[in-house]
Amino acid sequence: DQQVKQNSPSLSVQEGRISILNCDYTNSMFDYFLWYKKYPAEGPTFLISISSIKDKNEDGRFTVFLNKSAKHLSLHIVPSQPGDSAVYFCAASAGPNYGGSQGNLIFGKGTKLSVKP
Amino acid sequence: EPEVTQTPSHQVTQMGQEVILRCVPISNHLYFYWYRQILGQKVEFLVSFYNNEISEKSEIFDDQFSVERPDGSNFTLKIRSTKLEDSAMYFCASNSERTFNEKLFFGSGTQLSVL
Repeated sequence: DQQVKQNSPSLSVQEGRISILNCDYTNSMFDYFLWYKKYPAEGPTFLISISSIKDKNEDGRFTVFLNKSAKHLSLHIVPSQPGDSAVYFCAASAGPNYGGSQGNLIFGKGTKLSVKP
Repeated sequence: EPEVTQTPSHQVTQMGQEVILRCVPISNHLYFYWYRQILGQKVEFLVSFYNNEISEKSEIFDDQFSVERPDGSNFTLKIRSTKLEDSAMYFCASNSERTFNEKLFFGSGTQLSVL
C-alpha cells in the first residue's frame, strides 16, 4: 500500500542545472507535504514543506510545487550543487480532521540524487 | 543547533534476544517518535509518545515493542524478543509543537541486525 510514491529511485544531474524530484500520492486526505534530505549515516533532515492550501513554496534554491488535482508534488533545486547529492524523501500527513495524527508521516521510498561537478 | 542523539549506532543481536535502543530527544521537545527503515524500503512510522504515554502506534508496533521515557532526557525503544525481520535502521524523532505542521527532527539512527 504505497500512499506516497517516488517512482524514480535515482536521478543524476550536472552541477548548476536544475534537479526535479517527483512525488505522487493517492490519499486525498493528505493536507501537508514535506521533503526530507538524507545523507549516508545520518537521519532525515527537514528541507521544505507545503500546505495543501498552497501550490508553491520557495526557500532559497529549493521550491516545492503542489498539484492537488493530479495528486503530485515536485521539488526543484536550482542551481544544483554537489553537496545536494543525497537521498530525498517525500512525506505526507493528514490533519486531525482527516484521520491523521501528530507526527505520523507517510514516506515515499526516496530518490537518490547525484549532482556531478 | 540542537540535535536528537541515538545510541548505539549499530546493534547486532541474536534472534530471540531483547534489545533496547536509546534516544535523547532535543531538550525542549515534548513529542517523541520512533520510525524504522528496512533496507530498500520506505521509512515507516512505529509509535508516537507524549505526556508519558503512547499517542498512536502502527500495526508494526506489536506486543514485542515497548517505549519508555525513564527519566527527563532518554526515550527508549525495547524489542522483547527480536526476529530476523526486525533488522532495520531505527530512527528516533522529536518535535515541540502540537500542530500538524510536521517538522520532525530525526536522529542518525541505530542499525539493528538480528542474526
